[in-house]
Amino acid sequence: DTGVSQDPRHKITKRGQNVTFRCDPISEHNRLYWYRQTLGQGPEFLTYFQNEAQLEKSRLLSDRFSAERPKGSFSTLEIQRTEQGDSAMYLCASTPQGGISGELFFGEGSRLTVL
Amino acid sequence: DQQVKQNSPSLSVQEGRISILNCDYTNSMFDYFLWYKKYPAEGPTFLISISSIKDKNEDGRFTVFLNKSAKHLSLHIVPSQPGDSAVYFCAAREHNTNAGKSTFGDGTTLTVKP
Repeated sequence: DTGVSQDPRHKITKRGQNVTFRCDPISEHNRLYWYRQTLGQGPEFLTYFQNEAQLEKSRLLSDRFSAERPKGSFSTLEIQRTEQGDSAMYLCASTPQGGISGELFFGEGSRLTVL
Repeated sequence: DQQVKQNSPSLSVQEGRISILNCDYTNSMFDYFLWYKKYPAEGPTFLISISSIKDKNEDGRFTVFLNKSAKHLSLHIVPSQPGDSAVYFCAAREHNTNAGKSTFGDGTTLTVKP
């Protein structure tokens, strides 16, 4: 399967713990995005990488959140000192360079539950 | 302030009939509109898009209509099939932003009854 891959699919943690999610985009896609989706709402943009450079961050991304994309391949999203409000589905998506419409290729998501 | 709104949380139609999903937006800077479909336990998948310079785009059973003056778009599925049952998200991209940064509506759950 050559789609976007996310790991883990589901993470349950206690408040105050740190969690890290990994995303492997489609190999020929140089743009990578993180979105967050809470119950009953649509995905919300968090951050964007072009190759290894993080070019944009939403104000939704508090200082407890950090994302990296070393070497422009896979990406990680780390949440420090998790809060119950962080419970959500974290979606990774990628797009190829030169895409006009901005069609996003999403992974299956990583669901975070903070107890 | 929600810039993309899908006012109908759910829609139920009979197999073979037309499904019409609606979406309204407020931001005049949006230049591309996209529809995504999402099945349970899966990520959204792209369905169809339309540029703001067009008023219609068709792909098989799926047609998207854009009314810029009304800031309204709709997705028509005809004929509807049970496999179309899913959550449908309307999304919009702002002119001169990075291509994949979209603003999504909250989705409409479509149920197609056999």
